[in-house]
Amino acid sequence: DIQMTQSPSSLSASVGDRVTFTCRASQSISRYLNWYRQKPGKAPKVLIYAASSLQSGAPSRFRGSGSGTDFTLTISSLQPEDFATYYCQQSYSLPLTFGGGTKVEI
Amino acid sequence: QVELQESGPGLVKASQTLSLTCTVSGASVSRGSFFWTWIRQPAGKGLEWIGRIYTSGSTNYNPSLSSRVTISVDTSKNQFSLRLTSVTAEDTAVYHCAREVAVARYNWLDPWGQGTLVTVSS
Repeated sequence: DIQMTQSPSSLSASVGDRVTFTCRASQSISRYLNWYRQKPGKAPKVLIYAASSLQSGAPSRFRGSGSGTDFTLTISSLQPEDFATYYCQQSYSLPLTFGGGTKVEI
Repeated sequence: QVELQESGPGLVKASQTLSLTCTVSGASVSRGSFFWTWIRQPAGKGLEWIGRIYTSGSTNYNPSLSSRVTISVDTSKNQFSLRLTSVTAEDTAVYHCAREVAVARYNWLDPWGQGTLVTVSS
């Protein structure tokens, strides 16, 4: 299985901050990397697919980058609804695997 | 708009079988380039992919669970189901169903169901 490691596991930020967090794969996954946001008590929603493609309807403040083993998700200006947990997920090979998540707190 | 909704018992006794159903609206489980997927999330922990069924009916399972898992589809009801046998306390989790979209060799999960909590009791 491909192991996905996210860092940090949590971070504190304020509305308007620019935040960046990372996801590392245990082997090269090209650009087969997706990012999800999960608000408390809700289902995850995809933000970025194929490492850098913005999902239709996702806010433009989200930007994904990277390829191979190292990926980043950047939020250009944190909004109140962005205080949530973010997961990366690889779709390079089965079984699909997720990172442990980064929780963004106020 | 595609929506998914999980249903099934919230409490299952250890050693018995967990059975959940996902009802799909706004899309057909038998058409398109989609996988219909189950994922679970133990309380306070991360996400674990359980398995999926393609619109053709072919399935893929997580090797860690494959001996106990069956995913099936009921096209007449536009539903797909999860069956997990011989459950233990480690199977206690929120279970989500989701659609896996496949476009130009890239796949992602969208949308997800709200999730349903299943507790395994001793």
